[in-house]
Amino acid sequence: EAAVTQSPRSKVAVTGGKVTLSCHQTNNHDYMYWYRQDTGHGLRLIHYSYVADSTEKGDIPDGYKASRPSQENFSLILELASLSQTAVYFCASSDPGGPGQLYFGEGSKLTVL
Amino acid sequence: GQQVKQSSPSLTVQEGGILILNCDYENDMFDYFAWYKKYPDNSPTLLISVRSNVDKREDGRFTVFLNKSGKHFSLHITASQPEDTAVYLCAAGEAQGGSAKLIFGEGTKLTVSS
Repeated sequence: EAAVTQSPRSKVAVTGGKVTLSCHQTNNHDYMYWYRQDTGHGLRLIHYSYVADSTEKGDIPDGYKASRPSQENFSLILELASLSQTAVYFCASSDPGGPGQLYFGEGSKLTVL
Repeated sequence: GQQVKQSSPSLTVQEGGILILNCDYENDMFDYFAWYKKYPDNSPTLLISVRSNVDKREDGRFTVFLNKSGKHFSLHITASQPEDTAVYLCAAGEAQGGSAKLIFGEGTKLTVSS
């Protein structure tokens, strides 16, 4: 069964520390996404990628970097974690050809202290 | 600004009732519209979607209506059931332009009371 898996599922980080959230998909999809969920904001797009070795900025990219080393893997990197980055992060994948059904991972709960 | 906006943060309906969730968008290039359902501590899953070449799509108890001139789409749920209790997220994007971006609204928390 096709799947999107995220790791870690939960993490506590200190302010100023580096955090890497990883995402792996077996859907054979070209498109991958990182969203964050905050109460009252729904899902907001941070970075996305059409193809390996290329990433695009979403609507709230500040403070985040992304890396797509292969079709299957997409990472979100917080070089200097801040309190405001406490949130649940969702990775997703979709077929090429424009936005369509997104298949989400289980989410990664990040708490920055 | 918020490109996709849901008008109600929360709604309550009695079991068996009909409800309407609303979503407004700003970008008139959007041609793909969707509703996702999210249970607490779970990931969002696609409920129903529609392309801009139709103004209505029905799937069982769920119907999405699209009003392109008004930049508005809605989700109608009939015969509400307790298991419909969840957060509903509308989303829109520009499929024809080849963009992969899907923009979500803030979500509407629906409670179906028995």
